[in-house]
Amino acid sequence: ETGVTQTPRHLVMGMTNKKSLKCEQHLGHNAMYWYKQSAKKPLELMFVYNFKEQTENNSVPSRFSPECPNSSHLFLHLHTLQPEDSALYLCASSLSGGAMQETQYFGPGTRLLVL
Amino acid sequence: AQSVTQLDSHVSVSEGTPVLLRCNYSSSYSPSLFWYVQHPNKGLQLLLKYTSAATLVKGINGFEAEFKKSETSFHLTKPSAHMSDAAEYFCVVSDLSGSARQLTFGSGTQLTV
Repeated sequence: ETGVTQTPRHLVMGMTNKKSLKCEQHLGHNAMYWYKQSAKKPLELMFVYNFKEQTENNSVPSRFSPECPNSSHLFLHLHTLQPEDSALYLCASSLSGGAMQETQYFGPGTRLLVL
Repeated sequence: AQSVTQLDSHVSVSEGTPVLLRCNYSSSYSPSLFWYVQHPNKGLQLLLKYTSAATLVKGINGFEAEFKKSETSFHLTKPSAHMSDAAEYFCVVSDLSGSARQLTFGSGTQLTV
């Protein structure tokens, strides 16, 4: 295991539901990331947090709302999603988010299905 | 702007035969390059990375990759495939965009053994 955990692993929700994805890293890192992985498409970076501050929002719709209460935890709050939001959502962490050669460590992902 | 092209969406090899997964990149600066592997229902795991030291990089599970600046390539190889190598492989380039570090992922190569 990589030291990055995600819950739940699978989630089915209706378009009017509100749910949250949780990510926790046990690596002592200071940067955390949310990615979306859709079939047949490259990984899309959604959000970046560095030392609990959001440093990047990659034009993500407001129905996705991230929260980073501390450097170890990252949430993705979901509301009024669309079927095209169905995907694998991956969380990652890295030491500081700045150096080019820095490795990101990924969690196993949450498989989301929006009905 | 940087980009990554994985030249094959699917590669199929027999167990015990060599593996070659091709990756070409474009970058304005001297990038760092990574290969990640993703097994079904798992997250991405780092196989190896190039960070401007030796051009031949050795990774886990017998994989290696060679950085060729003249060809802007970073192909992944393994001398002898194992059944457990069946997975999806992603080539990733890390570069500077303005003052910020940016990762760009390839679209992936599905390896069947």
